[in-house]
Amino acid sequence: EVQLQESGPGLVKPSQSLSLTCSVTGYSITSNYWGWIRKFPGNKMEWMGYISYSGSTSYNPSLKSRISITRDTSKNQFFLQLNSVTTEDTATYYCARYVTLDYWGQGVMVTVSS
Amino acid sequence: DVVLTQTPPTLSATIGQSVSISCRSSQSLLHSNGNTYLNWLLQRPGQPPQLLIYLVSRLESGVPNRFSGSGSGTDFTLKISGVEAEDLGVYYCVQSTHAPWTFGGGTKLELK
Repeated sequence: EVQLQESGPGLVKPSQSLSLTCSVTGYSITSNYWGWIRKFPGNKMEWMGYISYSGSTSYNPSLKSRISITRDTSKNQFFLQLNSVTTEDTATYYCARYVTLDYWGQGVMVTVSS
Repeated sequence: DVVLTQTPPTLSATIGQSVSISCRSSQSLLHSNGNTYLNWLLQRPGQPPQLLIYLVSRLESGVPNRFSGSGSGTDFTLKISGVEAEDLGVYYCVQSTHAPWTFGGGTKLELK
């Protein structure tokens, strides 16, 4: 069974970087696409970006200057880094298997606050 | 960016009632390869989103067949034929035809 699990700090200070890890079991990240989606307080969802089986990436233009998605294939993990965060980046962050969105992590709530 | 407008924002239903949710796109979701990449997700309270329907009308494995999707171009509908208690939560349409992918604003299904 494919399983994804996010990990990382739940509190980040403004202007710092947010770093999250998605650990995947039951499926190799060298197949398919893998990415990040966030849900803001309320219902709004935002696609952030993905990393492909080959390591190429695609990002939401609204985040392009601040976001980086990388991976470690030896650990079957991929990572999110979001720089220069503000309180508007407070959200629950999910990793998921793209394009199908058929497998999701449980999500990690990240609060940006001093 | 493609804007997906979901209606209604809130839906109150009794158990056994059939309901529909609309998702309208600001532009056609028909891809040049002939596919229409419009999915429906359900997020139950405290849970991550779950895929219900992909490619407009294809039922994800394990999803009850009381869920169905239809539509084309810019107009899409999710129908639940006989709401059950486990169906409560927030429903989202999401498109991946055009980058960046975008989500509808969500429809909250509540018990009446």
